[in-house]
Amino acid sequence: EPEVTQTPSHQVTQMGQEVILRCVPISNHLYFYWYRQILGQKVEFLVSFYNNEISEKSEIFDDQFSVERPDGSNFTLKIRSTKLEDSAMYFCASFKGAGFETDTQYFGPGTRLTVL
Amino acid sequence: KNEVEQSPQNLTAQEGEFITINCSYSVGISALHWLQQHPGGGIVSLFMLSSGKKKHGRLIATINIQEKHSSLHITASHPRDSAVYICAVENTGNQFYFGTGTSLTVIP
Repeated sequence: EPEVTQTPSHQVTQMGQEVILRCVPISNHLYFYWYRQILGQKVEFLVSFYNNEISEKSEIFDDQFSVERPDGSNFTLKIRSTKLEDSAMYFCASFKGAGFETDTQYFGPGTRLTVL
Repeated sequence: KNEVEQSPQNLTAQEGEFITINCSYSVGISALHWLQQHPGGGIVSLFMLSSGKKKHGRLIATINIQEKHSSLHITASHPRDSAVYICAVENTGNQFYFGTGTSLTVIP
């Protein structure tokens, strides 16, 4: 069964450093998402991406965050200058599109980001 | 403010019981999602609904758009169903809002 993959599984970084979290969505999916979950809290939406551009973003997704689909397979989330409060599990998801039989999002296993 | 409210927060059931988890939301939606988060943290999408009812195996999800309410039912519950069940809504502006989850424990 196709799956969404994420690397690395765990990233430790110093405050102020840039990090790039990588995701490989399912190949024929059209919509891509990043979510985060701070330990013990609920999942939060960061951004959705369609047709090579951001389609929606939340208030959390400020100028410190950016997303890219550089080569048609990877989907990356960059945090320019990490803060302690960026420590969280980051989930990538992809979705084929409405009207298909498998009309749900597929989630990756997550990247745990720890900012020291 | 919580756009999505789930109840109960915690639920313990005996194996074989019929389980219902409720979700109420306050925004106009284009779709509602039910997710399952395993103890290890992984998330699986169970259903995406915009109206009516969907069934997959022992899981049934219903939505009432007028009442802004959805339910997730598990028939013949099993210990492997133990997980956190999360309701999430996608509003008409394609923003997503998540509930805090219902932690289900099914005892053999």
